Amino acid sequence: EAGVTQFPSHSVIEKGQTVTLRCDPISGHDNLYWYRRVMGKEIKFLLHFVKESKQDESGMPNNRFLAERTGGTYSTLKVQPAELEDSGVYFCASSPPPAGSVEQYFGPGTRLTVT
Amino acid sequence: QKEVEQNSGPLSVPEGAIASLNCTYSDRGSQSFFWYRQYSGKSPELIMFIYSNGDKEDGRFTAQLNKASQYVSLLIRDSQPSDSATYLCAVTGGYQKVTFGTGTKLQVIP
Repeated sequence: EAGVTQFPSHSVIEKGQTVTLRCDPISGHDNLYWYRRVMGKEIKFLLHFVKESKQDESGMPNNRFLAERTGGTYSTLKVQPAELEDSGVYFCASSPPPAGSVEQYFGPGTRLTVT
Repeated sequence: QKEVEQNSGPLSVPEGAIASLNCTYSDRGSQSFFWYRQYSGKSPELIMFIYSNGDKEDGRFTAQLNKASQYVSLLIRDSQPSDSATYLCAVTGGYQKVTFGTGTKLQVIP
């Protein structure tokens, strides 16, 4: 069974540019999560999808971040315009239904560097 | 106060010894508790989860939970050099939003 995949693995962009990160969850996993780890800090929750619906987006830092999960399969996280403080590793995780399942499986992450 | 606190380490133990990793959390409403292992440059890997007070054993790993003290621990018996990694404590309440600690770096010395 394929695990959670993320693309790209690394991205280097300039301040003010736009970047879109993609996550493909494990097949059949309705729950999809985005997390971010800024250097030296803990992994922080960004948001949670159940299928195509946003269940909890309380961790999204500001309106420069937009997450979508059209069709309830893969998800994208767009940062526009990127700022220096957006640098970090963005992890995606998924878990199977039901909604109460909390055993999350993480992808390899996308390392974003904003210069 | 951080929501989930861990000693950053490094915690060094000799091969074959027991490694003891500790974690405290601030939200008394937390319901589920997890230990993730993260090798350098890799993604977190779930190794243990516990929901009820007491001990839960899985192979060389034992998770311990004390909700009254808001304390979670992970014991690794017969530590191996391959256990060297950062161990992340994580907790969640009723909405699956997982809160992580910063992790404890474990070094197992051959």
